[in-house]
Amino acid sequence: EAGVAQSPRYKIIEKRQSVAFWCNPISGHATLYWYQQILGQGPKLLIQFQNNGVVDDSQLPKDRFSAERLKGVDSTLKIQPAKLEDSAVYLCASSLDPRSGQPQHFGDGTRLSIL
Amino acid sequence: AQSVTQLDSQVPVFEEAPVELRCNYSSSVSVYLFWYVQYPNQGLQLLLKYLSGSTLVESINGFEAEFNKSQTSFHLRKPSVHISDTAEYFCAVSVLNTGFQKLVFGTGTRLLVSP
Repeated sequence: EAGVAQSPRYKIIEKRQSVAFWCNPISGHATLYWYQQILGQGPKLLIQFQNNGVVDDSQLPKDRFSAERLKGVDSTLKIQPAKLEDSAVYLCASSLDPRSGQPQHFGDGTRLSIL
Repeated sequence: AQSVTQLDSQVPVFEEAPVELRCNYSSSVSVYLFWYVQYPNQGLQLLLKYLSGSTLVESINGFEAEFNKSQTSFHLRKPSVHISDTAEYFCAVSVLNTGFQKLVFGTGTRLLVSP
């Protein structure tokens, strides 16, 4: 089966600019996650969707970050305006049924550098 | 709140030697436990998982982990490592979050295998 697809792989922007990332989960996976992974740290959950509804966005900096999952399939994560501390790898993951212990499958991520 | 501790940020080891990567977690409720591996410039890949049943779980590439409830540990071991095992390893605990499972990651352990 095809894995989780993310684009772009790399992005370099200046602070205060805006940026968007795209994720296409594995077909049939209702749960979708966005993580932020800062260099030297483990991934931190930003937002979790179940179909097109938000389950958890408690760690999403809502003054600058937004995410949507229209039609319950693809998702986009946006940052506007970007700050230097947003430099990180943004990982998308999906899961068939996490409540039963089904694992999360990760994409290769988007590496964001803020100048 | 649930948390995961990986005490060793880096573990150097010679090829064909045994290795153990330590993971301890804290949780007041039952959890699922996972080990993920991350190769450079890639996303996380599931290595193995503990959901229930036998406390010893194995992966297809020779890794194993043992769930120890009394010590709240889930250490990862391999009797003989290869150069190709060089990567970052993340321990994660899955907890129930508003009816859905949420992964909390440790900070990771970098395994460095040298000839």
